[in-house]
Amino acid sequence: GNSVTQMEGPVTLSEEAFLTINCTYTATGYPSLFWYVQYPGEGLQLLLKATKADDKGSNKGFEATYRKETTSFHLEKGSVQVSDSAVYFCALGKAAGNKLTFGGGTRVLVKP
Amino acid sequence: SQTIHQWPATLVQPVGSPLSLECTVEGTSNPNLYWYRQAAGRGLQLLFYSVGIGQISSEVPQNLSASRPQDRQFILSSKKLLLSDSGFYLCAWSEVAEAFFGQGTRLTVV
Repeated sequence: GNSVTQMEGPVTLSEEAFLTINCTYTATGYPSLFWYVQYPGEGLQLLLKATKADDKGSNKGFEATYRKETTSFHLEKGSVQVSDSAVYFCALGKAAGNKLTFGGGTRVLVKP
Repeated sequence: SQTIHQWPATLVQPVGSPLSLECTVEGTSNPNLYWYRQAAGRGLQLLFYSVGIGQISSEVPQNLSASRPQDRQFILSSKKLLLSDSGFYLCAWSEVAEAFFGQGTRLTVV
């Protein structure tokens, strides 16, 4: 079956530091890949997505590249802000209407 | 544009009491609907999903049930809550692979 593995947190960084959150997946076929972000006390928001190999998703300074050869979709940001403190979830989805499979989430804390 | 509403935002219930959480979606037809639970410090666990009215699939055996009485309404219920039912419950909808989430309900069973 499908599965998503992401690095466990918490990840604690100083403002303006570089952030990487690793995500690898197992799936048959060609899934779409997503990063969702959850701010404290809120639901999940889609951060970025990629639908095929070598696609790069980007949003709010975050980037992730769909690497089929390494089955990975690592999230990166070059200079984090305190407002980036949140829980980040990697997820994969298959055909239309199919349910998403989420990783366990990575809590990121950015200190001023 | 599509919106998803989930209520209540917070709920404190005694052990053994019933539960009803409601989720509605606007601006779309025949969406796939989902209930997820997030226990403290843990990831998302898919509880139920529905591809149409009256069609419910359960992912894990538990003390909860779900119903879809209307196309854009999804209800999570329990007849008798357990302490272990505490958590953050999220409703979501999708038409293709991407999912959109409600704001969540924080349930505390005391």
